[in-house]
Amino acid sequence: KNEVEQSPQNLTAQEGEFITINCSYSVGISALHWLQQHPGGGIVSLFMLSSGKKKHGRLIATINIQEKHSSLHITASHPRDSAVYICAVRRTGANSKLTFGKGITLSVRP
Amino acid sequence: NAGVTQTPKFQVLKTGQSMTLQCAQDMNHEYMSWYRQDPGMGLRLIHYSVGAGITDQGEVPNGYNVSRSTTEDFPLRLLSAAPSQTSVYFCASSYTLTRRGGELFFGEGSRLTVL
Repeated sequence: KNEVEQSPQNLTAQEGEFITINCSYSVGISALHWLQQHPGGGIVSLFMLSSGKKKHGRLIATINIQEKHSSLHITASHPRDSAVYICAVRRTGANSKLTFGKGITLSVRP
Repeated sequence: NAGVTQTPKFQVLKTGQSMTLQCAQDMNHEYMSWYRQDPGMGLRLIHYSVGAGITDQGEVPNGYNVSRSTTEDFPLRLLSAAPSQTSVYFCASSYTLTRRGGELFFGEGSRLTVL
């Protein structure tokens, strides 16, 4: 079983819909990252979370440490939100390394 | 700020050739790392460094070497390229590994094809 699991595998939405992407992990962590990768593009950091909730524009990220689960919400989705969304966790411990989920491909149709 | 600069963006090699992927950051970040991204798999850590003169192996280090002689630069060397090393490579950095300053910055990626 992978240490970081993302769901759903792929997601298609209509413009304007509210979207939720989930990430579950099975190890102790010091932080969780949400990343965005556009087709053929580089990777951009959206959020780094260690507890609670963060909001940036139409994006909201939450984390529940006890349940080892995080969600990324996109409100009023737009075709430009079409991208791969990657969850990564930084494990606790010295020189802790990042473990990545496989990513979710989101397609938002106009 | 240039952020994380990664070169080249594209490279085609023949089996057995060697090459170096360059990565430089101008943010005074302590932590730098190299990943490879393959279809259907998450990013996998090749090597990482927590400061100048300090490097360590990640999940898939075989066939790759790194060095960190300065804070700014973290080159990745392919010693004898193999078709299995065909992939997209990303360099990433962060100020620290702790909660504060742990935001990740990625290079634009290098697409390597080994024939």
